[in-house]
Amino acid sequence: AQSVTQLGSHVSVSEGALVLLRCNYSSSVPPYLFWYVQYPNQGLQLLLKYTTGATLVKGINGFEAEFKKSETSFHLTKPSAHMSDAAEYFCAVSSSVLKGAQKLVFGQGTRLTINP
Amino acid sequence: KAGVTQTPRYLIKTRGQQVTLSCSPISGHRSVSWYQQTPGQGLQFLFEYFSETQRNKGNFPGRFSGRQFSNSRSEMNVSTLELGDSALYLCASSLVMINTGELFFGEGSRLTVL
Repeated sequence: AQSVTQLGSHVSVSEGALVLLRCNYSSSVPPYLFWYVQYPNQGLQLLLKYTTGATLVKGINGFEAEFKKSETSFHLTKPSAHMSDAAEYFCAVSSSVLKGAQKLVFGQGTRLTINP
Repeated sequence: KAGVTQTPRYLIKTRGQQVTLSCSPISGHRSVSWYQQTPGQGLQFLFEYFSETQRNKGNFPGRFSGRQFSNSRSEMNVSTLELGDSALYLCASSLVMINTGELFFGEGSRLTVL
């Protein structure tokens, strides 16, 4: 079974400060890992994904994440926060071997607040 | 290219009623998944359809059902509504056949059960 743990349901940073959102996963098979963002009253938008290859993944809006197998982590970072980054962020995992079955397991989400 | 369209966006029902939610995927996408989002349980997988066949199902009671039509549009139905069914129901579509998890989500249908 797969699971995702996001450390911290709420994170608050100042505008211009580093953003770090933590995600740890559990998977018995090689995982595919994702970060999605949800703005108020909207659906989820894919920020970035790790499938295979380079472990440092760059996404949209200046975000990036690093897959660390030894730590079973996939933390999301952004060097300098913008007010527009305020949203809820979800880490998710899926199985690389379940061909033909799209299923994501999500973490509980982290609400990011940006202080002016 | 139009995104995933869900209707209705908001609806209010009473306990015991049933509801049908509709999802039109991005043109060309053949996989449609449904998720339930609540403050307490977060995002939970309901089911996934591909070429009119249910390929995967989450851990929900039989009151939750779905189907997919030949044009890839999908509907989900919840019968005998309970207060706990109040949630945001998200539909997502995907182009690829293998499981990469790159899903494109609609804005959701917010169901309130009174």
